Amino acid sequence: GAVVSQHPSRVICKSGTSVKIECRSLDFQATTMFWYRQFPKQSLMLMATSNEGSKATYEQGVEKDKFLINHASLTLSTLTVTSAHPEDSSFYICSARAGSTPDTQYFGPGTRLTVL
Amino acid sequence: GENVEQHPSTLSVQEGDSAVIKCTYSDSASNYFPWYKQELGKRPQLIIDIRSNVGEKKDQRIAVTLNKTAKHFSLHITETQPEDSAVYFCAASINDKIIFGKGTRLHILP
Repeated sequence: GAVVSQHPSRVICKSGTSVKIECRSLDFQATTMFWYRQFPKQSLMLMATSNEGSKATYEQGVEKDKFLINHASLTLSTLTVTSAHPEDSSFYICSARAGSTPDTQYFGPGTRLTVL
Repeated sequence: GENVEQHPSTLSVQEGDSAVIKCTYSDSASNYFPWYKQELGKRPQLIIDIRSNVGEKKDQRIAVTLNKTAKHFSLHITETQPEDSAVYFCAASINDKIIFGKGTRLHILP
């Protein structure tokens, strides 16, 4: 149990375009989802916390107008990178937390974004 | 906010020997400390966790210790095997958020 999927696994886009990444909890309802960014050989940096039905909470330094997060249902959160630039190229990973296990986060497989 | 420091950044140990990774955290309100193993290009995998009301936890070859007073916690891997080679992250949870350390690249030498 506790499977989280992400789609797409890889995406290449041109500079200036927008890219949407989906994060789904497949076998549980996720009251809270988290979005992380990981640059090569670096740690996971929390970008934002997403609660179903409410606005996301962004970490300091993360532009909310550039990284749009929507958590419209208990099994789906989306991250849209708007007007992507090469410096946005990174590994984006989501995680989901089930209400029954408040501490444990289940991670998605990640999305490799390359902006040309 | 919470800050998690992790050492060393790289660790090489002979197969069969033990590996120890140490972390410190800044916010005394942190109450949950997971450890993750990440292989290249893959998602982080939870390998063990400990809560603030426990001082030590063991799962086969892996153990974690927590010193709340000093705000230190450590991962111990015994009888290391080639498949233990990976990047390991400690983390601390506060207010439902998990903050990661910078990671330790563990190399198991044949």
